[in-house]
Amino acid sequence: EVHLLESGGTLVQPGGSLRLSCAASRFPFNNFPMAWVRQAPGKGLEWVSTISASGTTTFYSDSANGRFTVSRDNSKSTLFLHLSGLRADDTALYYCAKKGLPRYDAFDLWGQGTMVTVSS
Amino acid sequence: SYVLTQPPSVSVAPGKTARITCGGTNIGDKSLHWYQQKPGQAPVVVMYYDNDRPSGIPERFSGSTSGNTATLTISRVEAGDEADFYCQVWDDTNDHPVFGGGTKLTVL
Repeated sequence: EVHLLESGGTLVQPGGSLRLSCAASRFPFNNFPMAWVRQAPGKGLEWVSTISASGTTTFYSDSANGRFTVSRDNSKSTLFLHLSGLRADDTALYYCAKKGLPRYDAFDLWGQGTMVTVSS
Repeated sequence: SYVLTQPPSVSVAPGKTARITCGGTNIGDKSLHWYQQKPGQAPVVVMYYDNDRPSGIPERFSGSTSGNTATLTISRVEAGDEADFYCQVWDDTNDHPVFGGGTKLTVL
């Protein structure tokens, strides 16, 4: 069964940094764009970042731009999100999601998420 | 930036039809997807490209678009359909995905 498994979420102080990982299995990871989507407690889904299949093209939301960096290691079928300059409003469950191949396709596979809590 | 507007909540009795709307300018010109998120679970796609059901999604789920509003319709609603539903499109000015605020479906 195709699978995404996030890890790396933890409690971090404001201004701190963190790296999230997402391990993919049972599908050709290097063929698909990937994304990070977060969900603050009790709130809706908020897109954070997208990376192309090759890793050469990245996109960021306004809130992530300049503070977060998305990357991938296709040899290890793993997606990363480096978070820095963390703020309380970055507290959220961070999901990684696989995007389909067409340009405007849906996110057709999601992990279970990893929780990031920013607090002193 | 592009905005999608959903009602915060929809309530329906079992066996009846639920209609969840998603409003956006010229939404019919965009590729629209719907996700269902049950409590404590990750989102799951229930409708691709307005009205294309993924395998495993019941035929009771259907989608449509008219004017500036897209609608996810769930017929013969069951207790197990209770969830948050999100619509999503792509802002073609910057290739950013946009999610609606979500609608909580309550089965009475």
